[in-house]
Amino acid sequence: GESVGLHLPTLSVQEGDNSIINCAYSNSASDYFIWYKQESGKGPQFIIDIRSNMDKRQGQRVTVLLNKTVKHLSLQIAATQPGDSAVYFCAENGAAGNKLTFGGGTRVLVKP
Amino acid sequence: EAGVVQSPRYKIIEKKQPVAFWCNPISGHNTLYWYRQNLGQGPELLIRYENEEAVDDSQLPKDRFSAERLKGVDSTLKIQPAELGDSAVYLCASSYPKHYEQYFGPGTRLTVT
Repeated sequence: GESVGLHLPTLSVQEGDNSIINCAYSNSASDYFIWYKQESGKGPQFIIDIRSNMDKRQGQRVTVLLNKTVKHLSLQIAATQPGDSAVYFCAENGAAGNKLTFGGGTRVLVKP
Repeated sequence: EAGVVQSPRYKIIEKKQPVAFWCNPISGHNTLYWYRQNLGQGPELLIRYENEEAVDDSQLPKDRFSAERLKGVDSTLKIQPAELGDSAVYLCASSYPKHYEQYFGPGTRLTVT
C-alpha cells in the first residue's frame, strides 16, 4: 500500500548547524512531494515542494532532495535557528487526484 | 491575504454529545479538505470538496461524521455522537483547483471526556 514515513522521530541540533530530516515513501507512482512545518498549536505550514521530474530544489535556507531510486526524500535546513524548532512532515501526492498522504513527523529541537 | 479560518479553536465535550467545526477557506480556493490529526501523527484526510461536491469521502466515518459545504465556500464538519477516540485536532485546508499545495488553518482541538 501507499505509505510515507520518517526515519528519525526527534532531531536535536545546535543553533547555526545544518539539519537534515529524512523521509521514505513507498508509492513509486507519486509525482509530487511536499514538506510542511508545524509549530505547537498551529496548522501545518508549507515549506517547499518538489515534483518527481526533479531531484533537487532549493528555497530560502531549505533544500529538498528526491531520490526516486530508493524512494527517499530529505529536507535540509541551513544554519538552523530557534524559530526552526517544530515538527516537520513530508507528504506525497499519489496519482489519484489532490490527495496528500502524510508521514508521521519529525520533531526538530534547536539548542542555543 | 487572509488564511484559512477555523472555529472554535478548542472544544471540550462529553462523550455522546454532538460537536461541529467551521471552516472558511482562502478566497478563490475551490478545493476544501478536512483532516484529523492525532497526537504525534500526520494529518489524515477525512473528506475533500471541489466546490460544493464531496469528491472524496472514503475516509469519513459516515456513521457519526457528516460534512457540508452548501454554497461552495465555507464548510462544517459534524460529529454526532462523539466518542472518546474522536479526541484529536481537526484541520481544514484549501487549495486552488488541481493544485497540490494545500494551505492549512490553525485547527480545532477536540477533547472528548
